[in-house]
Amino acid sequence: GAVVSQHPSRVICKSGTSVKIECRSLDFQATTMFWYRQFPKQSLMLMATSNEGSKATYEQGVEKDKFLINHASLTLSTLTVTSAHPEDSSFYICSARGPALAKNIQYFGAGTRLSVL
Amino acid sequence: EDKVVQSPLSLVVHEGDTVTLNCSYEVTNFRSLLWYKQEKKAPTFLFMLTSSGIEKKSGRLSSILDKKELFSILNITATQTGDSAVYLCAATNTGTASKLTFGTGTRLQVTL
Repeated sequence: GAVVSQHPSRVICKSGTSVKIECRSLDFQATTMFWYRQFPKQSLMLMATSNEGSKATYEQGVEKDKFLINHASLTLSTLTVTSAHPEDSSFYICSARGPALAKNIQYFGAGTRLSVL
Repeated sequence: EDKVVQSPLSLVVHEGDTVTLNCSYEVTNFRSLLWYKQEKKAPTFLFMLTSSGIEKKSGRLSSILDKKELFSILNITATQTGDSAVYLCAATNTGTASKLTFGTGTRLQVTL
C-alpha cells in the first residue's frame, strides 16, 4: 500500500517552455502533497505544500508564479514549471500523506529529472 | 531555522560489516524523526521515531532516538550490497503542515 506515482520520470525541454509534472496517490487519498527539489548529492529541499482544494503554501525563496501547483483532487497534484530556464534543471520529487496512513509519514514518487536546454 | 545534520557524509564498508549512521537535529516543536532509504530515485520509508529510548527494528536495520541529546542512529548489521544507498534522516514538527526537514544524507556503499 501507499504507492505514489510520478510522471514523467524524465523530461528534456527548450528554454522558455512550460513543463507539467504529475503526482498521483494510487491506493490512498492524499489530503496533503509535497513538492521537493533535489540537486546532485544534496538533500531534498521542500518547495511547497499543497492541500486538496486549497492554494499551495510555498517555502521562502520559491517563486509561486514560476512553480504552479494544483491539487484539485485527493489523488492528484501537479507542478508546472513555467517558462523553464537552464537553472531550473533539477530532480523534482513529490510526496503524499493521507488520513488513512500513519501521521507524518510521507510516501514519495520516483521523481522527475528535468533538463532545460 | 530547523536543521538536520547527518554524519558521515559517505561510508564504504565490506559486506558483513555493521554500520552506524548518525543524525542530529535542531527543530522547533519537534514531533518525530524519520529515516528513509534512497537508492536510485524515490526515498522509501524505513522508520519513524517519536519516543526516546525505544528501539525500532526491521530485519537487520534498527534505529533509536534520544530526545535529550537531539540525536538518532540507524544501525545496519551484516551489511549486504543491496544496502548500498543514500540514507536520509528527516525531522518533523508539531505544526499542522508537519513538514519534513531533511539532512543531506549518508551515502553508504557496501562492497564484496
